[in-house]
Amino acid sequence: QSALTQPASVSGSPGQSITISCTGTSSDVGGYNYVSWYQQHPGKAPKLMIYEVSNRPSGVSNRFSGSKSGNTASLTISGLQAEDEADYYCSSYTSSSSVVFGGGTKLTVL
Amino acid sequence: QVQLVQSGAEVKKPGASVKVSCKASGYTFTSYGISWVRQAPGQGLEWMGWISAYNGNTNYAQKLQGRVTMTTDTSTSTAYMELRSLRSDDTAVYYCARVDDYCSSTSCYLSAFDIWGQGTMVTVSS
Repeated sequence: QSALTQPASVSGSPGQSITISCTGTSSDVGGYNYVSWYQQHPGKAPKLMIYEVSNRPSGVSNRFSGSKSGNTASLTISGLQAEDEADYYCSSYTSSSSVVFGGGTKLTVL
Repeated sequence: QVQLVQSGAEVKKPGASVKVSCKASGYTFTSYGISWVRQAPGQGLEWMGWISAYNGNTNYAQKLQGRVTMTTDTSTSTAYMELRSLRSDDTAVYYCARVDDYCSSTSCYLSAFDIWGQGTMVTVSS
């Protein structure tokens, strides 16, 4: 199972919006609504930000939103804040009953 | 509060085995699955496999088949991951994570990893 494709890095200024894409295939992202997004700060465990494409867990800011079109899922962060600077990973359930992660995207807040 | 607490760091020689534990608290252990995810230094996340805490069913990543075993002890709400025949490229932080698993008669669908352990560093070096 190949990793999902994410941009290596994105950046934005405080207050702006950014979008991170996550491209898979019809056997993973396109075939199921079990797409999640995780935020990871250096030296910390990942934190769930979005589950099942577009749902936010309790406690996650509504500045974070998710969507999917075909084989590509997206995470949008609006009103960028300094604390949003982190690595972001997408994941998807697959037709092999496994889970595949994206390669990760480093978000820099300028 | 809901949490997963993992065992401490390990240093192993190539060819050895390691067993990492993950103790759950604050929720009904058998109502969720446990997945294991590892992260090599400076690298991304890699899914290793899943175990149902309800009935012990497992599914392992193809590249680890034959080297990894995941188990649970429901009496202590603890999950275990054993990796055998260790190599230098197994050096990584190993995480356990709680996963919503939805099972039908034929398949189990894995949703999100909503609670993570703190991670266990496993170093493989001669």
